[in-house]
Amino acid sequence: GAVVSQHPSWVICKSGTSVKIECRSLDFQATTMFWYRQFPKQSLMLMATSNEGSKATYEQGVEKDKFLINHASLTLSTLTVTSAHPEDSSFYICSASSSGGYEQFFGPGTRLTVL
Amino acid sequence: AQTVTQSQPEMSVQEAETVTLSCTYDTSENNYYLFWYKQPPSRQMILVIRQEAYKQQNATENRFSVNFQKAAKSFSLKISDSQLGDTAMYFCAFMKGGGSEKLVFGKGTKLTVNP
Repeated sequence: GAVVSQHPSWVICKSGTSVKIECRSLDFQATTMFWYRQFPKQSLMLMATSNEGSKATYEQGVEKDKFLINHASLTLSTLTVTSAHPEDSSFYICSASSSGGYEQFFGPGTRLTVL
Repeated sequence: AQTVTQSQPEMSVQEAETVTLSCTYDTSENNYYLFWYKQPPSRQMILVIRQEAYKQQNATENRFSVNFQKAAKSFSLKISDSQLGDTAMYFCAFMKGGGSEKLVFGKGTKLTVNP
């Protein structure tokens, strides 16, 4: 199956700093990427959908100015958590699909801890 | 809007036994896909099985099979000959047809396989 990587796998940062998480499709062109957030023992919550070269579409209740998403190429999308606060601590997962594809391939996730 | 309901927060089964996880969904779409994902303690999302709504035949992948009842909007997962490695969170998910659409997840069922 197709491989999606995420970097870093975990990150600890101080409150007020910004953190960037990368999501890469290693062996296919990801025209659409999705960013999810998962709290402990809960399901995945979709934050936004991004199409290569276009602005991301954010789900209701997700602050687009806080969670900046860039999908500048067919293999890379980034999520930047700006001015992070402890409540932003969570597990962030990306997934990717190819053009017209009905299957999403998931990255291994990034654990963010904000002190 | 689509919704996915998993009514069993937790289940347990003895090794080598069979277990069935329930999932119901609500949609007005006619073209869609249904998925079961497994999330082990590593938190990597793993596709277990998928079903195209237009297919009447139930999908099967080795020890995993589904009972897809389109009229009842039910999509249960049967795991036969349960193994210790099957211990994980299982998420049922819905995707509209058309390609590169977002996934709508249920809240998940935590399955424990006991030796």
